[in-house]
Amino acid sequence: EDQVTQSPEALRLQEGESSSLNCSYTVSGLRGLFWYRQDPGKGPEFLFTLYSAGEEKEKERLKATLTKKESFLHITAPKPEDSATYLCAVQAVGGGSNYKLTFGKGTLLTVNP
Amino acid sequence: NAGVTQTPKFRVLKTGQSMTLLCAQDMNHEYMYWYRQDPGMGLRLIHYSVGEGTTAKGEVPDGYNVSRLKKQNFLLGLESAAPSQTSVYFCASSGGSHDNEQFFGPGTRLTVL
Repeated sequence: EDQVTQSPEALRLQEGESSSLNCSYTVSGLRGLFWYRQDPGKGPEFLFTLYSAGEEKEKERLKATLTKKESFLHITAPKPEDSATYLCAVQAVGGGSNYKLTFGKGTLLTVNP
Repeated sequence: NAGVTQTPKFRVLKTGQSMTLLCAQDMNHEYMYWYRQDPGMGLRLIHYSVGEGTTAKGEVPDGYNVSRLKKQNFLLGLESAAPSQTSVYFCASSGGSHDNEQFFGPGTRLTVL
């Protein structure tokens, strides 16, 4: 069974204080690892897809990295508008699971001005 | 281009009542999904569809039915609502095998009394 564990559950930062969110996963074969951002009362918004260990992707102050067991979402010099819940999900290869995402419970990030 | 839309945004039901949630997408996506999101549980897949006229069970399908009569629409039905179905429901769609990111709707908040 595919599993995704995100840590910490909640993270409070001061504006400009860089940090990282962790996503550990167990999957039979990884097709892709996805990061989403979710604002209160809204649907998840796609950020990144990572496909293989060693891959990195960046978007503004966010950088996602992937190893064989985990992914990190690095946030550099965050701003209050980066406050949101960040969700990690995995998609496995093969058979009927080819299209499904398994999500972690998310990390609630709060950035104080 | 509206993306993924969901109707209604809020609904309150009494135990035993039935209702249908409507999801529509205008991106010509083949795949559509219904998730529920509960505090401390993360997003869980209810049912999904890999094309018009097809449906399949996800992780938590009991108590729900779905239909995909048109490519752009995916309906989620509750035949006899229970308090345990109080949740926020999200619909998502994706394009295909190499275009894996799922695009989410804004959600429907359902309360069953």
